[in-house]
Amino acid sequence: SQQGEEDPQALSIQEGENATMNCSYKTSINNLQWYRQNSGRGLVHLILIRSNEREKHSGRLRVTLDTSKKSSSLLITASRAADTASYFCATGSGNTPLVFGKGTRLSVIA
Amino acid sequence: SQTIHQWPATLVQPVGSPLSLECTVEGTSNPNLYWYRQAAGRGLQLLFYSVGIGQISSEVPQNLSASRPQDRQFILSSKKLLLSDSGFYLCAWSIRLAGDNEQFFGPGTRLTVL
Repeated sequence: SQQGEEDPQALSIQEGENATMNCSYKTSINNLQWYRQNSGRGLVHLILIRSNEREKHSGRLRVTLDTSKKSSSLLITASRAADTASYFCATGSGNTPLVFGKGTRLSVIA
Repeated sequence: SQTIHQWPATLVQPVGSPLSLECTVEGTSNPNLYWYRQAAGRGLQLLFYSVGIGQISSEVPQNLSASRPQDRQFILSSKKLLLSDSGFYLCAWSIRLAGDNEQFFGPGTRLTVL
């Protein structure tokens, strides 16, 4: 079953703009992860945030987690055409596999 | 360093034919292994996962089966393919199921059933 739900389903922005994607989930979690998938390729891990963390940065990525609202956001600053991809959130809880959302398709127009 | 291999990269099979997709991991021992299916433009559906040799957990009832004959080998099979089996199949591994660890994905296999 899918727990994470990304919003929006698709996002189109101009190069240089910031892109924000949101993820909501339903049950308690140990961690939340964001992955990127280029068209026709496997997923690549971007960042992991634990349930006791509120914000995390990695390069141009900023992730926030609000466990009271059961939501997370991924911000990509100063986007580039190469950021065009699908982005998935995945939640980890207990000794069970990660549960992935349906993803946000990001298009960055040069 | 760890690497994960999947083959073939693409496959076109007629309805009713058998299927065997293979995934191997190098550079790590006793990984947790996963098979996912992704329909066009959709999210990932977990099909099977394995925490050890011969240990397979199935997430959804379906026409497919999985086996783990060796520590770092995971095979996805079907005796008779259906049209609905078409999709992008991804293999992945992790150190633990859902601890503070990421999953590493293979390049995927694009399966088209005609």
